[in-house]
Amino acid sequence: RKEVEQDPGPFNVPEGATVAFNCTYSNSASQSFFWYRQDCRKEPKLLMSVYSSGNEDGRFTAQLNRASQYISLLIRDSKLSDSATYLCVVTRTGNQFYFGTGTSLTVIP
Amino acid sequence: EAGVVQSPRYKIIEKKQPVAFWCNPISGHNTLYWYRQNLGQGPELLIRYENEEAVDDSQLPKDRFSAERLKGVDSTLKIQPAELGDSAVYLCASRGVGRNYGYTFGSGTRLTVV
Repeated sequence: RKEVEQDPGPFNVPEGATVAFNCTYSNSASQSFFWYRQDCRKEPKLLMSVYSSGNEDGRFTAQLNRASQYISLLIRDSKLSDSATYLCVVTRTGNQFYFGTGTSLTVIP
Repeated sequence: EAGVVQSPRYKIIEKKQPVAFWCNPISGHNTLYWYRQNLGQGPELLIRYENEEAVDDSQLPKDRFSAERLKGVDSTLKIQPAELGDSAVYLCASRGVGRNYGYTFGSGTRLTVV
């Protein structure tokens, strides 16, 4: 079983829509959680960390459910510039990072 | 602050030729990673360094891949000989301290083996 699993999509949504991605992880000892954004032919860039209490950054909300072992990313009021691949990242002890395969989002005018 | 610097950005080589990639992490970042990313996939770890020590190289195909980080700063990744299946983007990343500190990627080297 993969460490981290994501629905690859693609998700095609109209501007202004709300879209949510989920990501599940297999190891209950996982410690830290992140969402990365990757634009076409670019490197992944940190979007936000995911805290146990959930956290929000503008139109983006990340949540963690340790009991069910998943994290989510909610994007409100989607913009064309949100079109990208969103990668879920989970860490274990020390510096072991595990990536999901990414979820592709296209925001349509 | 300079980010993670990688070179070259692009490389095209014939199969069976050697190739090397270079990475300079963010200053002060002791942890350095090399990842390989195929189209439509997430990055896959090849090797992780803590300072100059390779602490996780279980996914590195050691028959043809090698890496070094001699002084615990910049690093090189080498493939010899390259195969067609090695075509991918090779990403270097470094990490700062702190549990909720994500890591920063370089722009990657896009390798095409023909």
